[in-house]
Amino acid sequence: NAGVTQTPKFRVLKTGQSMTLLCAQDMNHEYMYWYRQDPGMGLRLIHYSVGEGTTAKGEVPDGYNVSRLKKQNFLLGLESAAPSQTSVYFCASSYDRTYQPQHFGDGTRLSIL
Amino acid sequence: GDSVTQMEGPVTLSEEAFLTINCTYTATGYPSLFWYVQYPGEGLQLLLKATKADDKGSNKGFEATYRKETTSFHLEKGSVQVSDSAVYFCALPGGYNKLIFGAGTRLAVHP
Repeated sequence: NAGVTQTPKFRVLKTGQSMTLLCAQDMNHEYMYWYRQDPGMGLRLIHYSVGEGTTAKGEVPDGYNVSRLKKQNFLLGLESAAPSQTSVYFCASSYDRTYQPQHFGDGTRLSIL
Repeated sequence: GDSVTQMEGPVTLSEEAFLTINCTYTATGYPSLFWYVQYPGEGLQLLLKATKADDKGSNKGFEATYRKETTSFHLEKGSVQVSDSAVYFCALPGGYNKLIFGAGTRLAVHP
């Protein structure tokens, strides 16, 4: 049971570089989410998707883009990385809006120099 | 808007000590409430939940009671173990299946 898999696990970028974080889930979940975790601030929602081909903004969407071309994958892109985007990023998925819990991946630690 | 407030950590305890981590919430109506746990190097896992007032969620020796009078959902465990060392998050739904998390409380248990 893989659950939610995030790649890569670690990455260091220079300011201005771009990259894509990949999230894959094998539970046939409709809903997928990207959060960032910063010290003392808990998890904050960046973007989410309620199904294949749909995306929506969360609490802190600026500087990020997402795509959900396939139901099992949810990509998070940074077009021009900034030091303020240094964080740990978590992907999560859930079956529908009433079913809990959300299932989380192990996270991607991203440092922007 | 809806929010969750947790006690600040870190909480440092000796093995077999009693644990309480406070959580209070602000919300419209009576939402479900959750406790998630994050072990070092891992993602969050649901620890327990309560779906209505006066419900008690329990799992792995942890308990939390949904108290609407005090808008609280405090996490308790009678005897902690070193393996309970983790960060604990209180959470509630924030509309459209999103979760609103507290800032997290780090627990360190020493032998």
